[in-house]
Amino acid sequence: GAVVSQHPSRVICKSGTSVKIECRSLDFQATTMFWYRQFPKQSLMLMATSNEGSKATYEQGVEKDKFLINHASLTLSTLTVTSAHPEDSSFYICSARGMLGGGNTDTQYFGPGTRLTVL
Amino acid sequence: RKEVEQDPGPFNVPEGATVAFNCTYSNSASQSFFWYRQDCRKEPKLLMSVYSSGNEDGRFTAQLNRASQYISLLIRDSKLSDSATYLCVVSPNTGFQKLVFGTGTRLLVSP
Repeated sequence: GAVVSQHPSRVICKSGTSVKIECRSLDFQATTMFWYRQFPKQSLMLMATSNEGSKATYEQGVEKDKFLINHASLTLSTLTVTSAHPEDSSFYICSARGMLGGGNTDTQYFGPGTRLTVL
Repeated sequence: RKEVEQDPGPFNVPEGATVAFNCTYSNSASQSFFWYRQDCRKEPKLLMSVYSSGNEDGRFTAQLNRASQYISLLIRDSKLSDSATYLCVVSPNTGFQKLVFGTGTRLLVSP
């Protein structure tokens, strides 16, 4: 079954509105969560890395005031796209780093993604 | 130059065929290497890690050549269910920290 959930799976919004995407790790505590963006026919691009209780680290070219990340607990991180514009339309995927069920292998698990369409 | 380069394909092969994908990476300091599989409009899923000595998992064999900065994936006895996009992924760190993805190679296996 899924180990990382994302909500919503799909969202359509008007230009200028803000959209919040939730990412939850199921059955394990994620010390680190990552947010990626994927445009059609392009690779996943890391946007930011977030550690629980501290500020996110953003990749070069990603505006931290536009993409607000909150990592309030070891199982939840949120990405808020503020004042969304059509060029922000993309597939946003989160991932969580941790170990499942007492295992000893640290792995990065991906959520199912959120498809954002800004009209 | 992209950090991770792959032939986008598609590779069209019949069931039972053997197919190989290649990938090159530009950062010589890269420490970790992976192949992920991504189905259409879904999230990537880890297929296998890649080790310097080469490693095999069932029908899948991965090789790493650090000197040439080259990674390969070999799929034997292709199944219809192998149809997907295969992503070459590199990390500058050990383990699953920052991951850099290639654009992927699309595989289509036909009956």
